[in-house]
Amino acid sequence: AQSVTQPDIHITVSEGASLELRCNYSYGATPYLFWYVQSPGQGLQLLLKYFSGDTLVQGIKGFEAEFKRSQSSFNLRKPSVHWSDAAEYFCAVGAPMDSNYQLIWGAGTKLIIKP
Amino acid sequence: DAEITQSPRHKITETGRQVTLACHQTWNHNNMFWYRQDLGHGLRLIHYSYGVQDTNKGEVSDGYSVSRSNTEDLPLTLESAASSQTSVYFCASSESHGQLTDTQYFGPGTRLTVL
Repeated sequence: AQSVTQPDIHITVSEGASLELRCNYSYGATPYLFWYVQSPGQGLQLLLKYFSGDTLVQGIKGFEAEFKRSQSSFNLRKPSVHWSDAAEYFCAVGAPMDSNYQLIWGAGTKLIIKP
Repeated sequence: DAEITQSPRHKITETGRQVTLACHQTWNHNNMFWYRQDLGHGLRLIHYSYGVQDTNKGEVSDGYSVSRSNTEDLPLTLESAASSQTSVYFCASSESHGQLTDTQYFGPGTRLTVL
């Protein structure tokens, strides 16, 4: 069965430091992969997505993610975090559901920014 | 601007009561989804709809129902609320039928407490 693992429940990073959030997936075929961000008290917003092509994907707010098939990973990165990046981040993989698809979600990683 | 709204934002109810959570989108999207979010579980799909009069069960549909009488609305009903249904509920919509390339847009969520 398809699954998504985000190994880190919480990550604390100093403002201005670099960030990497890990995501591993289990899926037999070429996956559709997504990163969403959830700010406190808000719904989820798409940061970026990967379907095919260049394995380095650029997203909004200065985030990027790299698809590594050999490692079944889709890690999210940002070179320099800002206090406004404090949020919860979710990785998801698209999986077949009947004749359509659904998103399978990771449990999320909460990002804490130290001033 | 197009948006997706949920009401109420917070609800406290008692075990055994019927509860309906509203979701309204002005994107004119065909697809609508209901998720629940619980600590450590990420998002889990409850029900989804690919158009008017179309509804489908998701991963955790027991005890929930939906109906789609128009494009804009997908209300979620808890037939007889249970304490295990205490959660945060998110509604989402996307444009095309069965196409994961389309972004899901999320509402702000409804926090439901069942006492």
